[in-house]
Amino acid sequence: EAAVTQSPRNKVAVTGGKVTLSCNQTNNHNNMYWYRQDTGHGLRLIHYSYGAGSTEKGDIPDGYKASRPSQENFSLILELATPSQTSVYFCASGDPGQGWEQYFGPGTRLTVL
Amino acid sequence: QQKVQQSPESLIVPEGAMTSLNCTFSDSASQYFAWYRQHSGKAPKALMSIFSNGEKEEGRFTIHLNKASLHFSLHIRDSQPSDSALYLCAVSINRDYKYVFGAGTRLKVIA
Repeated sequence: EAAVTQSPRNKVAVTGGKVTLSCNQTNNHNNMYWYRQDTGHGLRLIHYSYGAGSTEKGDIPDGYKASRPSQENFSLILELATPSQTSVYFCASGDPGQGWEQYFGPGTRLTVL
Repeated sequence: QQKVQQSPESLIVPEGAMTSLNCTFSDSASQYFAWYRQHSGKAPKALMSIFSNGEKEEGRFTIHLNKASLHFSLHIRDSQPSDSALYLCAVSINRDYKYVFGAGTRLKVIA
């Protein structure tokens, strides 16, 4: 089965601080995604990537940057964290050439104080 | 922008019952439809998909899709306590499978 890992699993940050969430996949999938999940909103797409060096804005990109330095790694960067960014963040990978599924990592719980 | 809505928000059913979950979408150009299941504290996991009008069955799970009505549904036969989870529907316009997710239906199956 596809393997996606995330680090850290839990993070407490201060308002105005910089936060980097990391994601690694070992499935050789071209596409990777960052979502946040809040009660009442389901999964909302922040940024996604079609391959190394590419990043695209999702539906709620404001306040976030992304980086895809390699096929395996995809990072989400909060340059100036705000309390409204307190959430659970999920990374996922997928490859339309292989199937319709996205495979999700275990999530990172971020609290911004 | 695509809007995806799920109903009901939450549902409690007895073990052995039939469960029906609904999803409506706003963009008639949508072509790819999926359900994901998320147990408490875990990652979402792909459950089933459907790409053409009609019905698709996999074990106890059946998806119905009616594109003209902008609606698809998931039906769980003989619901089990292990089916208790958050069910997320997902819709994509293109074959890049860049999904828009609904807010979810929280299902609890009581023994």
